[in-house]
Amino acid sequence: DTGVSQDPRHKITKRGQNVTFRCDPISEHNRLYWYRQTLGQGPEFLTYFQNEAQLEKSRLLSDRFSAERPKGSFSTLEIQRTEQGDSAMYLCASSILTGTPADTQYFGPGTRLTVL
Amino acid sequence: AQSVTQLGSHVSVSEGALVLLRCNYSSSVPPYLFWYVQYPNQGLQLLLKYTSAATLVKGINGFEAEFKKSETSFHLTKPSAHMSDAAEYFCAVTINFGNEKLTFGTGTRLTIIP
Repeated sequence: DTGVSQDPRHKITKRGQNVTFRCDPISEHNRLYWYRQTLGQGPEFLTYFQNEAQLEKSRLLSDRFSAERPKGSFSTLEIQRTEQGDSAMYLCASSILTGTPADTQYFGPGTRLTVL
Repeated sequence: AQSVTQLGSHVSVSEGALVLLRCNYSSSVPPYLFWYVQYPNQGLQLLLKYTSAATLVKGINGFEAEFKKSETSFHLTKPSAHMSDAAEYFCAVTINFGNEKLTFGTGTRLTIIP
């Protein structure tokens, strides 16, 4: 079990640039989630996938944000025309549907984005 | 909508003393509740979760939490603090059976005094 991995771990970009983050879930986990965490706050839900289908998106996910999970394995989160307010830690998590209550979400180490 | 409130953004306890981190929830339906720990430069790690099977939930590293419906609380405790417990702790809630979306509190930073 290698855990959830995210790449890159750190990204510094200039305002207006596009950035893309990658998340590799735990093998065989069919659900994948993206959260955003700003300084001094808890993670906030952005979106989640079941296999390749994106089933829910938060209002936090403006139209500059897009997430994909094309083959139901890894996922990418792209931010277009970055703004300073996008500076945050972007967390990915995965889980497997077990049919029991409240399946555990396993989190990756995150990608820290700094927009200058 | 569901939410959690963590009282105390910073808590300091002496090594060997009781750890008590507070979490109150708000939910219109029976919730599922979680405690996660976050060490510097690491991802969130699940400590324990409440799924209505038992009100007293035991987790990893000696932590436990008790679900109290009358008080809408899910406080985290550990009888004796260890230096390695220093971290940020997050309470979270979901109302979905499949846990499709977690709502987190703002976190409590725990400092252990030698």
